[in-house]
Amino acid sequence: AQSVTQPDIHITVSEGASLELRCNYSYGATPYLFWYVQSPGQGLQLLLKYFSGDTLVQGIKGFEAEFKRSQSSFNLRKPSVHWSDAAEYFCAVGYRITGNQFYFGTGTSLTVIP
Amino acid sequence: NAGVTQTPKFQVLKTGQSMTLQCAQDMNHNSMYWYRQDPGMGLRLIYYSASEGTTDKGEVPNGYNVSRLNKREFSLRLESAAPSQTSVYFCASLENTEAFFGQGTRLTVV
Repeated sequence: AQSVTQPDIHITVSEGASLELRCNYSYGATPYLFWYVQSPGQGLQLLLKYFSGDTLVQGIKGFEAEFKRSQSSFNLRKPSVHWSDAAEYFCAVGYRITGNQFYFGTGTSLTVIP
Repeated sequence: NAGVTQTPKFQVLKTGQSMTLQCAQDMNHNSMYWYRQDPGMGLRLIYYSASEGTTDKGEVPNGYNVSRLNKREFSLRLESAAPSQTSVYFCASLENTEAFFGQGTRLTVV
């Protein structure tokens, strides 16, 4: 069965520090990969996506992610975190071969301390 | 463009009542989804529709039914609401390179 794993439930970083949020998926087919951010009480906003091509993708708000097929990973990074980045982050995986099923990880909550 | 529109935004139901959550998208997307979001569990797929006229179960379909009325609309029905269905429900549409979400429906079953 398809699954998406975000191993870190909660991460705390200092403002200005670098950030990496982990995401792993399990399925044989090549996936579509997404990262979303959700602020409290809000809907989901797409940060970036990967479908094919260059494995390092750039997103909004200074985020980037790298697809590593050998590790089945799609980790999200940001060189310097801002206080406004505090939110819940979700990795998502879609598989067109299985009828466009689209699954989310359980999320990583990010706290930014001044 | 409105994107993905969900109604209602908030709802309180009594156990055993029924209701339908409405979702419409104006982006001509083929695929639409219903998720529920619960603390610590992320978003779990309830049902999805890969194209007009088709629907399939996701991870947590029990207690729900869906209808893909046309390409724009994908509704979620709770026939007999239970407290375990208290959650925030999100509708989404996806077409290859883009996925969009509605603002959510916060449902409380008492």
